[in-house]
Amino acid sequence: QVQLVQSGAEVKKPGSSVKVSCEASGGTFSRYALSWVRQAPGQGLEWMGGIIPFFSTSNYAQKFQGRVTLTFDESTSTAYMELRNLRPEDTAYYYCAREGGNYGSPSWFDPWGQGTLVTVSS
Amino acid sequence: QSVLTQPPSVSAAPGQKVTISCSGRRSNIGSNDVAWYQHLPGTAPRLLISDNSQRASGIPDRFSGSKSGTSATLAITGLQTGDEADYYCGTWDTSLSAVVFGGGTKVTVL
Repeated sequence: QVQLVQSGAEVKKPGSSVKVSCEASGGTFSRYALSWVRQAPGQGLEWMGGIIPFFSTSNYAQKFQGRVTLTFDESTSTAYMELRNLRPEDTAYYYCAREGGNYGSPSWFDPWGQGTLVTVSS
Repeated sequence: QSVLTQPPSVSAAPGQKVTISCSGRRSNIGSNDVAWYQHLPGTAPRLLISDNSQRASGIPDRFSGSKSGTSATLAITGLQTGDEADYYCGTWDTSLSAVVFGGGTKVTVL
């Protein structure tokens, strides 16, 4: 059964970038798509975007367009989320999750990574 | 402001039943399947229900989901202290071309 293992916590300065990784353990992403979801302190879940490695395509929530890039390294079965021009309000737990439902319009996520805390502070 | 509307909190005594509503529009719940997640902040969310009413692997039948029109409901029967968590509904929004979630509902076992 595949598990998603994310990279460790990060502390970043405003204006910098962060790159979080998500590796499939016990399996591969194969033909699955992967999404990234974040949760800021005291807030709910927020979808950032998804990537379909098999088709090399990605789509992003409008809020993050131009500031986030999702990539996938086939050789290591690892997905990456890079967020640029960080602001204090980007402080959040970032989760990767395998998509279920239709390609490009997921209706559920399972499993999820354990989460990566990104703290943005001067 | 979340696209889907959930009550901020619900509570009940052990063994009792709680229901959590999730209200949306034709472009999201009205057109697409709904999922429910259990979440303790700082840990991985856990899929409970997919496709409106299908329990995920390993989820006890105390958890059930339903959908009607532009609303969905999660029911938890035989409430246990281990059920204390935040619960989120989510679905695809065809107009926004994005996944949308509710604001989350905190379940408290009295």
